[in-house]
Amino acid sequence: DGGITQSPKYLFRKEGQNVTLSCEQNLNHDAMYWYRQDPGQGLRLIYYSQIVNDFQKGDIAEGYSVSREKKESFPLTVTSAQKNPTAFYLCASSIGTRYSGELFFGEGSRLTVL
Amino acid sequence: QKEVEQNSGPLSVPEGAIASLNCTYSDRGSQSFFWYRQYSGKSPELIMFIYSNGDKEDGRFTAQLNKASQYVSLLIRDSQPSDSATYLCAVSRRTGGGNKLTFGTGTQLKVEL
Repeated sequence: DGGITQSPKYLFRKEGQNVTLSCEQNLNHDAMYWYRQDPGQGLRLIYYSQIVNDFQKGDIAEGYSVSREKKESFPLTVTSAQKNPTAFYLCASSIGTRYSGELFFGEGSRLTVL
Repeated sequence: QKEVEQNSGPLSVPEGAIASLNCTYSDRGSQSFFWYRQYSGKSPELIMFIYSNGDKEDGRFTAQLNKASQYVSLLIRDSQPSDSATYLCAVSRRTGGGNKLTFGTGTQLKVEL
């Protein structure tokens, strides 16, 4: 079955640590995205990538980094510079950025900072 | 003013009734409109999209778009308990860097037996 796999589902981090969230898709989609969801707030875009080896900052990129070395993979690193990293992180993909509203989401990764 | 506004709810409707979920947006240049359903603790799932003024029906769901009044709504007919979820409205507009998608904060729907 085609879809998006995120791992881990739950992650605990100590302050000052970097953590990397994995996102893999087998939908053959060109575009991939990382969103953050906090209670009472809409989904906010962190980074997106239209093609391999290219990515763009979204609305809240500070304290995060990404890479897109393969079409299938778009990992997100939450660095120690991110001041409030506790959140639900969602990876998504679309056929292309022209269809950026028609998103397929992974199951999400819930990060808690201890 | 928020770019995309939704009443957070909860909106409670009895089983079998019509649930009406509303969303307003601020940018008149917005072109595409989406409804996502999100069950508690799960990720969002696209259920409807609409690009033109008027109604678009898909099964029990109808999306309605009125660009002049800058609102989009989602009607769910014959509401079922399994429809209980948060419904996210998302609006896309063209920018210099491509299409920008903005999500509302969602409306929680509760369908009661």
